Amino acid sequence: GENVEQHPSTLSVQEGDSAVIKCTYSDSASNYFPWYKQELGKRPQLIIDIRSNVGEKKDQRIAVTLNKTAKHFSLHITETQPEDSAVYFCAASGSGNTGKLIFGQGTTLQVKP
Amino acid sequence: EAGVAQSPRYKIIEKRQSVAFWCNPISGHATLYWYQQILGQGPKLLIQFQNNGVVDDSQLPKDRFSAERLKGVDSTLKIQPAKLEDSAVYLCASSLEKTDQPQHFGDGTRLSIL
Repeated sequence: GENVEQHPSTLSVQEGDSAVIKCTYSDSASNYFPWYKQELGKRPQLIIDIRSNVGEKKDQRIAVTLNKTAKHFSLHITETQPEDSAVYFCAASGSGNTGKLIFGQGTTLQVKP
Repeated sequence: EAGVAQSPRYKIIEKRQSVAFWCNPISGHATLYWYQQILGQGPKLLIQFQNNGVVDDSQLPKDRFSAERLKGVDSTLKIQPAKLEDSAVYLCASSLEKTDQPQHFGDGTRLSIL
């Protein structure tokens, strides 16, 4: 079935360091890959997304890369700040062209001051 | 732009009772989603509407869960009767169209079953 694997489950970095979160998806028909940030008790917030016709996308300190052949995509956060601490979820569009998203299990990022 | 509105924020009920959640999507968004997020996991799609029609309800436990989106705007999700494993946050999201469009989430309803 449709599946998205996300690693690592927890990540701790020092302020100013970079953080990388990786996801693998199973459905080769997936063509939309958003990333969400969720702070404790709050709604998931879209931080960046990428479509299958693009290999890389950057927005200030965050970037996402996509390797369709390997069915991998990754989130890169540079110059991390304490306010980047949250749970990050990757997602991939499901089959059937319905817009359905399949989410990863989440990565808890802790940025130490 | 007003975001996705959900109510209530919290609900505590006993097992076998019924409960209903309400969602008002972003104005003009044709597609509405209900997700279940169990603690420590990513959201899982329960049902997706395009206007007032169901697009995908393959993961909705239809023996106890039901949802509707009358007039293609607001939506309600109901659980009857509730089970202990239904304890979760129920998130509503909306998007302009159904494919490859950003989904915007509401704050969710945290449901606790005693």
